[in-house]
Amino acid sequence: QQQVKQSPQSLIVQKGGISIINCAYENTAFDYFPWYQQFPGKGPALLIAIRPDVSEKKEGRFTISFNKSAKQFSLHIMDSQPGDSATYFCAASTDSGAGSYQLTFGKGTKLSVIP
Amino acid sequence: GAGVSQSPRYKVTKRGQDVALRCDPISGHVSLYWYRQALGQGPEFLTYFNYEAQQDKSGLPNDRFSAERPEGSISTLTIQRTEQRDSAMYRCASGGYGETQYFGPGTRLLVL
Repeated sequence: QQQVKQSPQSLIVQKGGISIINCAYENTAFDYFPWYQQFPGKGPALLIAIRPDVSEKKEGRFTISFNKSAKQFSLHIMDSQPGDSATYFCAASTDSGAGSYQLTFGKGTKLSVIP
Repeated sequence: GAGVSQSPRYKVTKRGQDVALRCDPISGHVSLYWYRQALGQGPEFLTYFNYEAQQDKSGLPNDRFSAERPEGSISTLTIQRTEQRDSAMYRCASGGYGETQYFGPGTRLLVL
């Protein structure tokens, strides 16, 4: 059972455009929703995260929009740059006990920003 | 400061052999997680340590997989009697108190 569904699988955006990646979750116990950015040969790096008590969080060119009732959240990358080309993973977690916040990941979106 | 490190970065082994994968977390981090990432997929949780205590091993696929963190720092994930289906990227992540996790570069395991 895939608890976090991510789309699209791949995305091509022109430089300066807006990249949008969507995720949907099933487990209503999730209370922490991070996005990770992964470059080839590297581990996932935390990009931005949100909790369900807010509907939007912005950090620079990156914005998370969160819809608790629809159990959906999305990442918007404004003014996309070629350096943003990477694989993006959404994830979700909750305290599973004893301080464990195991992450449940989506399958990833490969973003290519073309000049 | 130094991030999470893992070794070896690549491991090729024959079916039936045992392998040990090492994770060196960020200094002072109390939480340590192991994940497995198949090609084209997101990481999947294997096990979690709080200091030296293995608090959650619900993601370990079977009893051939084990992990330890004896002194609350370096952790080792051991796979006994490896099978071809064990081939994957194995990632370690560490964190302080709370949800934020910092991932290492991973160990790519190939079982022939």
